[in-house]
Amino acid sequence: RKEVEQDPGPFNVPEGATVAFNCTYSNSASQSFFWYRQDCRKEPKLLMSVYSSGNEDGRFTAQLNRASQYISLLIRDSKLSDSATYLCVVNRVDSSYKLIFGSGTRLLVRP
Amino acid sequence: EADIYQTPRYLVIGTGKKITLECSQTMGHDKMYWYQQDPGMELHLIHYSYGVNSTEKGDLSSESTVSRIRTEHFPLTLESARPSHTSQYLCASSRGTDTQYFGPGTRLTVL
Repeated sequence: RKEVEQDPGPFNVPEGATVAFNCTYSNSASQSFFWYRQDCRKEPKLLMSVYSSGNEDGRFTAQLNRASQYISLLIRDSKLSDSATYLCVVNRVDSSYKLIFGSGTRLLVRP
Repeated sequence: EADIYQTPRYLVIGTGKKITLECSQTMGHDKMYWYQQDPGMELHLIHYSYGVNSTEKGDLSSESTVSRIRTEHFPLTLESARPSHTSQYLCASSRGTDTQYFGPGTRLTVL
């Protein structure tokens, strides 16, 4: 079983739609959670950190469910420019500072 | 924007050549990382460093080597490039367990 699992998609949605991605992680002791965005042939960029209380940044809302060990990302009012791969990221629970990157969920927003 | 730079951005080279991929950051981050990513595939950690004179192998075995003589500089070297080394190489840095920031990547093609 992968340490971080995501539905690879693609999610194909019309502009203006609301779309949600989920991600599950295997180690209940993980403490840091992030969503990154990666455009085709570009580097990953931080979209938002995920806090226990949930957090919102404009059209994006992230939630953490520690009991079920999953993280979600909700995108409201999808724009064409939201088309990208969204990576779920969790810290590795050992003495290292490494992050574990999920394989990503691809989003295609169509006109 | 993250202040992390990689050169060259693109490199096409023949089999057997020695190459060095450069990575520099001006954020004073102590942790630095090298990832390898094939098109449409997930990120794989190949090297990381906790600080000057500290380097460790990552999760994916790689024939490359790294050095960390200065905080801001983390070059990756391939002594003898092969077609199997064709990939995108992404450098990242972080402060402690904080977010990792990525450079733009080097796209390497070995003929």
